[in-house]
Amino acid sequence: GDSVTQMEGPVTLSEEAFLTINCTYTATGYPSLFWYVQYPGEGLQLLLKATKADDKGSNKGFEATYRKETTSFHLEKGSVQVSDSAVYFCALSDRGGGNKLTFGTGTQLKVEL
Amino acid sequence: NAGVTQTPKFRVLKTGQSMTLLCAQDMNHEYMYWYRQDPGMGLRLIHYSVGEGTTAKGEVPDGYNVSRLKKQNFLLGLESAAPSQTSVYFCASSTGGNTEAFFGQGTRLTVV
Repeated sequence: GDSVTQMEGPVTLSEEAFLTINCTYTATGYPSLFWYVQYPGEGLQLLLKATKADDKGSNKGFEATYRKETTSFHLEKGSVQVSDSAVYFCALSDRGGGNKLTFGTGTQLKVEL
Repeated sequence: NAGVTQTPKFRVLKTGQSMTLLCAQDMNHEYMYWYRQDPGMGLRLIHYSVGEGTTAKGEVPDGYNVSRLKKQNFLLGLESAAPSQTSVYFCASSTGGNTEAFFGQGTRLTVV
């Protein structure tokens, strides 16, 4: 079945540091890929998405490129802020009946001054 | 615009008790989902629905039942709660296809 593997956390960075959170996937067919963010005590919000190979999703300074050859969708940001502290989830959608999301285990990011 | 609303936000149950979690969406979405979130395991799909009157099992359906009598509502029931069902439950909805899913704020359930 489909699966998503992302790097374990927590990740602790200083403000303005470069962020990379690795995500790889296994899927039959051609899934859509997503990054969701969860702030403390809240539900998940869509951060960015890509629907086909070589697409780049971007939002709020975050970027991720759909790499079919390496089955990866790594999240990057050039300069993190304290307000970026949250849990980040990589996910794929099966496109088939149900459009079900399969999530990675989440990576907690803590940004310090 | 309320989006996806879950009721209740917190609940403590005794083993063997039953309860129903309510999810309501006001976006006219066809697809609705129930997930549970456990530490170190991400979100796992319990049940989902692709339209009013339809339901289907997800990855971890045992011990749960669902109903989708109205398009805007998706109910998750626990008939006989067990400590293993202690978790944070999230409801989500979407229009299907490649579109994003919108999530509720979550229900924190503790079974003692």
